Amino acid sequence: EDQVTQSPEALRLQEGESSSLNCSYTVSGLRGLFWYRQDPGKGPEFLFTLYSAGEEKEKERLKATLTKKESFLHITAPKPEDSATYLCAAQGIQGAQKLVFGQGTRLTINP
Amino acid sequence: NAGVTQTPKFRVLKTGQSMTLLCAQDMNHEYMYWYRQDPGMGLRLIHYSVGEGTTAKGEVPDGYNVSRLKKQNFLLGLESAAPSQTSVYFCASSAGGGQGRGEAFFGQGTRLTVV
Repeated sequence: EDQVTQSPEALRLQEGESSSLNCSYTVSGLRGLFWYRQDPGKGPEFLFTLYSAGEEKEKERLKATLTKKESFLHITAPKPEDSATYLCAAQGIQGAQKLVFGQGTRLTINP
Repeated sequence: NAGVTQTPKFRVLKTGQSMTLLCAQDMNHEYMYWYRQDPGMGLRLIHYSVGEGTTAKGEVPDGYNVSRLKKQNFLLGLESAAPSQTSVYFCASSAGGGQGRGEAFFGQGTRLTVV
């Protein structure tokens, strides 16, 4: 059974304090690993897709990386507006491209 | 450029009542999904569709039915609502069909309370 686990559940940082969020996955043939941002009361907003181990993608202060078992979302010099829940999802080659989500990491950046 | 639109945004039902949640997408996507999101449980797939006229069960399908009569619309029905169905429901769509087309785009959610 495909599974995605995110850690930590919650993370509180000071503005400018860099850190990383972890996403461990177990899927039968990874088709894609996705990162989303979710603000309170809103739907998940797509950030990145990673397809193969070693791949990296960047957007502003965020960088996502992928290994054969994990993905990391690195946050460099975060600002309070980066506060949100970050969701990781994996898509395997089976199951009609369904996304299996982790439970998310709730990130708070204090000014 | 609406993307994925869900109707309604909020609803309160009494136990045993029925309702239909509507999802509409304007991106000509083949695949559509219904998820529910509960505290501590993450997003769980209820039903999905890989094209007009098709539907399939996801992880938590019991108590729900769906229909995809038109490519742009995906309906989620609750025939007899139960308090356990209190949740936030999200619809999503993706182009599907292979690598590079799997990104799912989500609606803003429907907050449903069953009393």
